[in-house]
Amino acid sequence: EPEVTQTPSHQVTQMGQEVILRCVPISNHLYFYWYRQILGQKVEFLVSFYNNEISEKSEIFDDQFSVERPDGSNFTLKIRSTKLEDSAMYFCASSEGQGGREQYFGPGTRLTVT
Amino acid sequence: RKEVEQDPGPFNVPEGATVAFNCTYSNSASQSFFWYRQDCRKEPKLLMSVYSSGNEDGRFTAQLNRASQYISLLIRDSKLSDSATYLCVVNDLTGRRALTFGSGTRLQVQP
Repeated sequence: EPEVTQTPSHQVTQMGQEVILRCVPISNHLYFYWYRQILGQKVEFLVSFYNNEISEKSEIFDDQFSVERPDGSNFTLKIRSTKLEDSAMYFCASSEGQGGREQYFGPGTRLTVT
Repeated sequence: RKEVEQDPGPFNVPEGATVAFNCTYSNSASQSFFWYRQDCRKEPKLLMSVYSSGNEDGRFTAQLNRASQYISLLIRDSKLSDSATYLCVVNDLTGRRALTFGSGTRLQVQP
């Protein structure tokens, strides 16, 4: 069964550093997403991406964040200057085209900012 | 008011029991509804979509009541492996794809 993959599984970084989280969505999916979950809290939407551009973003997704699809398979989330409060689990998800709204999540990257 | 509200639990039930979870959502324009399960420190896994007519998948039955803005999940014949957090998830507006998650209801099935 096809699945979303993410690397790394755990990233530790110092405050102020840049991090790039990587995802490979399911191959025939057209919509890609990033969500985050702070420990003990609910899953929160960050951004969605379709046709090589951002289609929606939340208020969390400020100028520190950016997304990119650098090639035909990878989808990345960059945090330019990490803060302590960016520590969270970051999940990538993907969904099919217009009809399918079900989103399938990758295993996540645990980001720890020290 | 919370957008998607769930009883956090925990629900502690014996194996073989039937358990029901409820969820309410605040936005009457919500279009799509889902139940996901999440194991500790893992990703949300899609359990089932929820349709207006209600739907069943094996031991799991989901119901939607648009008038009351209420979604339910029934699990019959609970297994130890059903122990997880069950997330009620809503897609709010036509054309938007962002999912809004509830905080989840924790289920612990005991032998």
